[in-house]
Amino acid sequence: AQTVTQSQPEMSVQEAETVTLSCTYDTSENNYYLFWYKQPPSRQMILVIRQEAYKQQNATENRFSVNFQKAAKSFSLKISDSQLGDTAMYFCAFLLYNTDKLIFGTGTRLQVFP
Amino acid sequence: NAGVTQTPKFQVLKTGQSMTLQCAQDMNHEYMSWYRQDPGMGLRLIHYSVGAGITDQGEVPNGYNVSRSTTEDFPLRLLSAAPSQTSVYFCASRDRAKGTEAFFGQGTRLTVV
Repeated sequence: AQTVTQSQPEMSVQEAETVTLSCTYDTSENNYYLFWYKQPPSRQMILVIRQEAYKQQNATENRFSVNFQKAAKSFSLKISDSQLGDTAMYFCAFLLYNTDKLIFGTGTRLQVFP
Repeated sequence: NAGVTQTPKFQVLKTGQSMTLQCAQDMNHEYMSWYRQDPGMGLRLIHYSVGAGITDQGEVPNGYNVSRSTTEDFPLRLLSAAPSQTSVYFCASRDRAKGTEAFFGQGTRLTVV
């Protein structure tokens, strides 16, 4: 069975600084997708970034980028130039190719301070 | 285009009461699912459906029933609420053919007293 582990329950960062959130996963499969979702205080789940396992290039979306290390089964999220609006829970998630079960980690609560 | 709509947003139940959480999507997605979110545990899959008439259990299905009579709707039923079912519930849908992104409703905060 696949598992997703987020070992940092809480993180904090100063506005304009860079922060990295960690995620590791366990699978014996080769084809899968990885995601980072953001959940602000409004409770809405928002997709931040997605990575396909067969792509070696790390995904980037504006200030958000990932460091995908397939051999190490690691998928960290880097937030550059942190903004107050980045304050939220961040969830790492895993989806096995050709299946439907999206598996989530336990989340990291990020606080951005002015 | 409303996306995924969940009702109600908040609900308080007494132990033993029954209720149905409603979920509707207008994107013609085949896949729909229900998750519960508890502190320190992330989101855990309760039930899911890959199309009308087809449902399956997720990680934590006990105490919950689902049915899928139409593509648009996927209600979650609590037959006899228990305090352990106090949680935030999310409905999500996905277009299995077009992509991997799951679209979420705004969640229902349920308290069972």
